Amino acid sequence: DAMVIQNPRYQVTQFGKPVTLSCSQTLNHNVMYWYQQKSSQAPKLLFHYYDKDFNNEADTPDNFQSRRPNTSFCFLDIRSPGLGDAAMYLCATSRVRGGTDTQYFGPGTRLTVL
Amino acid sequence: GQNIDQPTEMTATEGAIVQINCTYQTSGFNGLFWYQQHAGEAPTFLSYNVLDGLEEKGRFSSFLSRSKGYSYLLLKELQMKDSASYLCAVMDSNYQLIWGAGTKLIIKP
Repeated sequence: DAMVIQNPRYQVTQFGKPVTLSCSQTLNHNVMYWYQQKSSQAPKLLFHYYDKDFNNEADTPDNFQSRRPNTSFCFLDIRSPGLGDAAMYLCATSRVRGGTDTQYFGPGTRLTVL
Repeated sequence: GQNIDQPTEMTATEGAIVQINCTYQTSGFNGLFWYQQHAGEAPTFLSYNVLDGLEEKGRFSSFLSRSKGYSYLLLKELQMKDSASYLCAVMDSNYQLIWGAGTKLIIKP
């Protein structure tokens, strides 16, 4: 089945210790997104890639970086996680950017910062 | 600024009908989405409206009025598995999705 896969599902890291979250997709979609979602809040868009074109949201902290080495994979790097970065990180894809195109979400990675 | 408003929490009874409202103010409009999100899981797509009116899909229907900046999600014949958060999201003129914080729906037997 075509899908969006995120690994790991649960990640625990120490305060200040770099962590990388991964996302892969078998949908062959052009656009990939990274969202941060805290409890009972709306998902907050951090980045999106339209093919290899990287788009950084204006209020995404410098502590967050992303890489998309190929169509199928996308990584979220948190250079120095703080307690406030504990959240669910959602990867999503869409075939194209905008219009009627639905975003398909992976299962998410829940990050805990100790 | 851009804003999506929906109630924080609603409670309904199994077998009943519930309507979840969403009002929005965004820079442009390229459609409104409803997503369902179970606790600890990713959002899953429910519906998309870009023209005024009602879209029906099984037990779920979604309504849009662009002139009023208003949408609702109607859930019929509620089942316990419908207990989840329901997120309203609007695609703005830059094709960015603006998300509401979600409505937590609690179903009681």
